[in-house]
Amino acid sequence: DAGVIQSPRHEVTEMGQEVTLRCKPISGHNSLFWYRQTMMRGLELLIYFNNNVPIDDSGMPEDRFSAKMPNASFSTLKIQPSEPRDSAVYFCASSLALGGLYGYTFGSGTRLTVV
Amino acid sequence: RKEVEQDPGPFNVPEGATVAFNCTYSNSASQSFFWYRQDCRKEPKLLMSVYSSGNEDGRFTAQLNRASQYISLLIRDSKLSDSATYLCVVNDGGFKTIFGAGTRLFVKA
Repeated sequence: DAGVIQSPRHEVTEMGQEVTLRCKPISGHNSLFWYRQTMMRGLELLIYFNNNVPIDDSGMPEDRFSAKMPNASFSTLKIQPSEPRDSAVYFCASSLALGGLYGYTFGSGTRLTVV
Repeated sequence: RKEVEQDPGPFNVPEGATVAFNCTYSNSASQSFFWYRQDCRKEPKLLMSVYSSGNEDGRFTAQLNRASQYISLLIRDSKLSDSATYLCVVNDGGFKTIFGAGTRLFVKA
């Protein structure tokens, strides 16, 4: 089992540029979550999907953020335009059960730096 | 009041010591409870689930007190490799999972 796969591992971009983060969940997991982690705010849930359908995006900070899950094996999180305050580690996680009832498996994260 | 609260620490303990962390949660309807471990610059990893009757996994023991709305993690015979941040996680039985801010543990030789 390859686990949850995220790409890229690191991204450095200039303010105003578009950033796309990618995630491949564990095969068979039907829930997918995007989290953001900073020292100040800890782990914040941005959005989650169940069976490829967005269930709750109330954690998405603003319209600059969007997420898609076109199929069961792929999801993207896009920031356009990016700002320095978006700098954080972005984690994708997947779970067998709705909402992570039985726990999550996280990917290794994308460390985003916006300069 | 935060939905899940943890003492941020850090806890500094010598090898071989026993250390305990507590976590409180505000939603009395919470259904599932977990402890995750996060190493520096790594992703959180599920350490163990927490069951009402308490459960043990090697040197780790987790307990749940629904009446007082807290969960605990006990680590016996601490190893250097136990140094990490321990995250308390609570799920409401449906869509909502809340992560605590974590407790940092340093185990020293």
